Amino acid sequence: GAGVSQSPRYKVAKRGQDVALRCDPISGHVSLFWYQQALGQGPEFLTYFQNEAQLDKSGLPSDRFFAERPEGSVSTLKIQRTQQEDSAVYLCASSWTDGNTIYFGEGSWLTVV
Amino acid sequence: AQRVTQPEKLLSVFKGAPVELKCNYSYSGSPELFWYVQYSRQRLQLLLRHISRESIKGFTADLNKGETSFHLKKPFAQEEDSAMYYCALSGNAGGTSYGKLTFGQGTILTVHP
Repeated sequence: GAGVSQSPRYKVAKRGQDVALRCDPISGHVSLFWYQQALGQGPEFLTYFQNEAQLDKSGLPSDRFFAERPEGSVSTLKIQRTQQEDSAVYLCASSWTDGNTIYFGEGSWLTVV
Repeated sequence: AQRVTQPEKLLSVFKGAPVELKCNYSYSGSPELFWYVQYSRQRLQLLLRHISRESIKGFTADLNKGETSFHLKKPFAQEEDSAMYYCALSGNAGGTSYGKLTFGQGTILTVHP
């Protein structure tokens, strides 16, 4: 594809509901990142994959957040029992490999009501 | 811990005036610094990285390790430069850098005609 693709673009969830956010990286990109961007803030790192291996999940805010990339391509970020403070834009990014330019998707806007 | 500070949330200049967006960082190792830009209704994209020492769209940024700064400058601002600008840092403590970024809070630049 032309770039990193994320879906859904917009999601409204009721508090307590589970959500799943999908990321399609640029074809062939080995590295994949998830970031969370709260309103008025810069993006904050959540987790990093190299192929299917999750090498860094230090930024996941709680055990309600879970990410996977089972075949080393598409990734899913899952948030269980959503809370209002989870409302944010979730950005996915990918790169060919470590140290290369990182390309961002348009983001998934999550609102928890 | 690594931190990026952008002291100005908003910056307004007139077309043709010089512009400087400030960025200071805190990092104990040897960082790699970036500027990312987000134009209205577009995705976050890389503007420039210090290691490349290049000028993109007339913008330059010099890494000053003594002052731990990486200010973004352009001698003559254009209306199309109006956007959100983020300074970001990628650390390589421990010898491995895989592109995990720490972002500042961003500066909204408005260039008036």
